[in-house]
Amino acid sequence: DIQMTQSPSSLSASVGDRVTVPCRASQTISSYLNWYQQKPGKAPKLLIYAASSLQSGVPSRFSGSGSGTDFTLTISSLQPEDFATYYCQQSYSIPWTFGQGTKVEIK
Amino acid sequence: QVQVQESGPGLVKPSQTLSLTCTVSGDSISRGSYYWSWIRQPAGKGLEWIGRIYTSGSTNYNPSLKSRLTISVDTSKNQFSLKLSSVTAADTAVYYCARGATPHRPGEAGKWYFDLWGRGTLVTVSS
Repeated sequence: DIQMTQSPSSLSASVGDRVTVPCRASQTISSYLNWYQQKPGKAPKLLIYAASSLQSGVPSRFSGSGSGTDFTLTISSLQPEDFATYYCQQSYSIPWTFGQGTKVEIK
Repeated sequence: QVQVQESGPGLVKPSQTLSLTCTVSGDSISRGSYYWSWIRQPAGKGLEWIGRIYTSGSTNYNPSLKSRLTISVDTSKNQFSLKLSSVTAADTAVYYCARGATPHRPGEAGKWYFDLWGRGTLVTVSS
């Protein structure tokens, strides 16, 4: 199985900050990488697919980058509604796997 | 708009079979090239992909669950289902159904992502 590592597991930031959330794959996955946002008690929501494509309806302050084994989700200016947990997920090979998540908390 | 919704018992006894159904509304489950997946999340933990099915009936399972798992589809009812046998407390989780889609751009086919999720249903394994 491909292991997806998200470190740190949590980070603190303020409204208006530029925030980067890293994700590393245990082997190369090209750009088969997706990002999801999850708020407490809710289902995950797709933000970014194929490493850098913004899902329709998602604010442009979210962006994704990377290829191979190292990926980054960037929030250009953190908004109050962005405090949540973010998961990366690879679809390069079965079984599809998720990172353990990074929780973005209020500083 | 298209929606998916999980349904099934919220409590299952140990060693029994967990059965859930996902109903697709707003469109035919057979329309388009989608995979339909199950994903679960234990309380306070991360997400685990369980398996997927295409409307042709073709399936892929997570090897960690494969020996206990069956995913099926009923296109006439616009539903797909999950059966997980011999459950233990470790199977207690919120179970989500989700639609898997892929970009239509040249060279991007196969880069599957989950673009549509159900609200999730909590299944507790306890006697």
